[in-house]
Order: sequence, then C-alpha cells, then structure tokens
Amino acid sequence: GAGVSQSPSNKVTEKGKDVELRCDPISGHTALYWYRQRLGQGLEFLIYFQGNSAPDKSGLPSDRFSAERTGESVSTLTIQRTQQEDSAVYLCASSRSQGLLGNTIYFGEGSWLTVV
Amino acid sequence: DQQVKQNSPSLSVQEGRISILNCDYTNSMFDYFLWYKKYPAEGPTFLISISSIKDKNEDGRFTVFLNKSAKHLSLHIVPSQPGDSAVYFCAASVGSNYKLTFGKGTLLTVNP
Repeated sequence: GAGVSQSPSNKVTEKGKDVELRCDPISGHTALYWYRQRLGQGLEFLIYFQGNSAPDKSGLPSDRFSAERTGESVSTLTIQRTQQEDSAVYLCASSRSQGLLGNTIYFGEGSWLTVV
Repeated sequence: DQQVKQNSPSLSVQEGRISILNCDYTNSMFDYFLWYKKYPAEGPTFLISISSIKDKNEDGRFTVFLNKSAKHLSLHIVPSQPGDSAVYFCAASVGSNYKLTFGKGTLLTVNP
C-alpha cells in the first residue's frame, strides 16, 4: 500500500483480555517502530525492528507487552491481560533504514485501544 | 521525568500572522530535533528537522530555530494558514538515533 497500514483502527476490550494489533509497513522499509500515545501525553517509544537484527525492546512498559515482525513485513504488537492504563493510541511507523538523518519516519493512523 | 517539554497545550493565531511553537528539552545529549504535525484521526507527519550543528533550518513557510545553550527550540510558521491547524509535536533524539522522545504536543488553531 501507499502508507503504513494498521488494524484494527479501534478496539474496545475488557480488562484482562489479550489484544493483538497489526502493522503493515511501507513496502521496502526495513525499519519498523511502535509508539503509543496515552491521553494528554506525548508519544512513547515501545519497540524497534531493523531488518534481521535483534529488536530494541527497551521501551516496552511491562512483560505483558510483546511484538514480533516477520522478516521485513508485517508486525504484531500483543498486549496480554490488558489493564485500563493500557488504553492509548498505538502508532506504528516505518522508514527505509535506521537512523534519522535524511530518513523520514512515516506513521500509520494508529490503533485506538480502550480497555474497560 | 519529561525530557521534552511543550509548555503550551494550545495556541491560537490569525490567518496570515506568525505562529511560534516552543519546545524545551532537558537532556543535553539530544542532538537531533524534529517537528511533527498531526491531524485528528491521522498519524503524525514529519515537518522539519534540525541537527545540533545548526541553529536554524528553513523549509518554505516553516523555520526551526535551535538555541543549544538554552536547550530550547521553536517552530515558526509564516504566514499561518487555516490548514496549518493541527497538533504539533516536538521530538528529539541522541545521535539521530531511531528512538525519539516526544513532547506532549501543542494544538495550533489558525483562524480565518
């Protein structure tokens, strides 16, 4: 597709349930990022994938959060045993390669997660 | 501990006038700064960036100024247009690393 595609666009789930959020990066982009934005906050870095390198998981807030990426394509962010504080917009982004100099990061529209 | 701060949650200006959005940072290791614009229900889009080796970068109506000694940067939009109405995020990184630290954003409203 032309841009970063995320699904679902909206998800309401009950506390304690697991959720999966999907991201389709721009074709040819080797770098993929997950961020989240909670209400009234800035974007928080969660995890970064670059090609076949080990992902940088340093931003994941707890072990309930995990993410996978198949090669240089689709990524799935999984939140287990969701809590109300997990309610946020989860944004996926991709770029041609790592590093920011001359390298634009393109964001998807986000997946709005509400935990009730 | 908020390392990138945008102290004005909102700003309103008249069409044709200058919009000035401010951003302060506390981490002296930050050396690459970016501004993103976000419309409702859309993802953020890259606007302009600046490296710490510069103090100004200009792209059309958008200019970013960096004051390293004050750990402050600002985005100037001249002239402002109603289509510029959006949330503007300031972001920073160390060594142009992929890990961005974002501010909370400033909602700009440009009135016709």
